[in-house]
Amino acid sequence: QSALTQPASVSGSPGQSITISCIGTSSDVGKYNLVSWYQEHPGKAPKLMIYEVSQRPSGVSDRFSGSKSGNTASLTISGLQAEDEADYYCCSYAGSTTFLLFGGGTKLTVL
Amino acid sequence: QVQLQESGPGLVKPSETLSLTCTVSGDSINDYYWGWIRQPPGKGLEWIGYIYYSGTTSYNPSLKSRVTISLDPSKTQFSLKLNSVTAADTAVYYCARARSFAYFDYWGQGPLVTVSS
Repeated sequence: QSALTQPASVSGSPGQSITISCIGTSSDVGKYNLVSWYQEHPGKAPKLMIYEVSQRPSGVSDRFSGSKSGNTASLTISGLQAEDEADYYCCSYAGSTTFLLFGGGTKLTVL
Repeated sequence: QVQLQESGPGLVKPSETLSLTCTVSGDSINDYYWGWIRQPPGKGLEWIGYIYYSGTTSYNPSLKSRVTISLDPSKTQFSLKLNSVTAADTAVYYCARARSFAYFDYWGQGPLVTVSS
């Protein structure tokens, strides 16, 4: 199965809101409420930001939110801050044969 | 605080076996999935597989024929073996804990493993 589809890059100014999309299929994103999002700063390990579509782990800012509509999941970051500049990856469960699929990643630039 | 630390060779020759171990501290192995994810230089993340604390394994279908993940609860360690490696297997290899089978909440730092003669 192919990786999930994310835009290569998005950008926004401090204080603005941005949304990163993650397009899957009816076999993964559309079928299961098991989408997660990870933030990755250069040279650092990925950090879980959202799980089960819209749940935030303890310690993650409420400026980060997740949602899903059909085969597309989305990560929204509100009140953009310089420290949010990073790569973001979505991930979805895809059933008991494929298991887990990652998106190709989106580079967020804070202007 | 849960911590994961990968260990193993940073250089592997083509056709040989890549072997990495992840040591877990700060928590028990029980009740979680323990996985491996890799990231080729400049590319995205790829799930390799994971093992449940009971010993049940699940692998990426594209790597399944070459991958083995095992668990040593007595040492709170789990390991990855990837055989018949090629240059395409050069990547940063992360070990991670999965609270459920669908997402990873704690990650190791990830060493770069290079496949080259």
